[in-house]
Amino acid sequence: QQQVKQSPQSLIVQKGGISIINCAYENTAFDYFPWYQQFPGKGPALLIAIRPDVSEKKEGRFTISFNKSAKQFSLHIMDSQPGDSATYFCAATIKNSGYSTLTFGKGTMLLVSP
Amino acid sequence: GAGVSQSPSNKVTEKGKDVELRCDPISGHTALYWYRQSLGQGLEFLIYFQGNSAPDKSGLPSDRFSAERTGGSVSTLTIQRTQQEDSAVYLCASSKQGGLAGNTIYFGEGSWLTVV
Repeated sequence: QQQVKQSPQSLIVQKGGISIINCAYENTAFDYFPWYQQFPGKGPALLIAIRPDVSEKKEGRFTISFNKSAKQFSLHIMDSQPGDSATYFCAATIKNSGYSTLTFGKGTMLLVSP
Repeated sequence: GAGVSQSPSNKVTEKGKDVELRCDPISGHTALYWYRQSLGQGLEFLIYFQGNSAPDKSGLPSDRFSAERTGGSVSTLTIQRTQQEDSAVYLCASSKQGGLAGNTIYFGEGSWLTVV
């Protein structure tokens, strides 16, 4: 059972455009929602994260929008650049007896064309 | 080193052989995680260590998979009698504490396992 559903699977955006990746979850016990960026041959790296009591978080060109009632959250990349081409994973954490584990979406391969 | 270190970076093994994958977390990080990344399947949680103990082994896919962590530092993931479906990238990650909310988790570059 997939607990975090991510779409689209792949995305092509022109340089300067806005990239939008969406995620949805079912488990209301999730308490933290990070996004990870992964370049080929590298491990995922934390990009930006949000807590469920906040509706939006912005860091530079990256913004997370969070809709708690709809159980959805999305990543927006403004002014997308070729260097943003990577795989993006949304994730959610649930706390179990004092620790948390990350549940990941299946990822979105983003290609920003020059 | 400054980051999570994994070895080997690439491993090709014959079906039925045992393999060991090693993870050296960031110094001082008490929490250690193993994930598996298969093509098109995202990242699948395998096991979590807090210090040397593993309170959550729920993600290990079969009894052919085992992991240990000694001295609260290095961890080894062992796959016995490897099968072709074990081919994947095995990622190790660490964080300062087990409670991830607000705690950054750092991933290594992974060990790419191919079973032929």
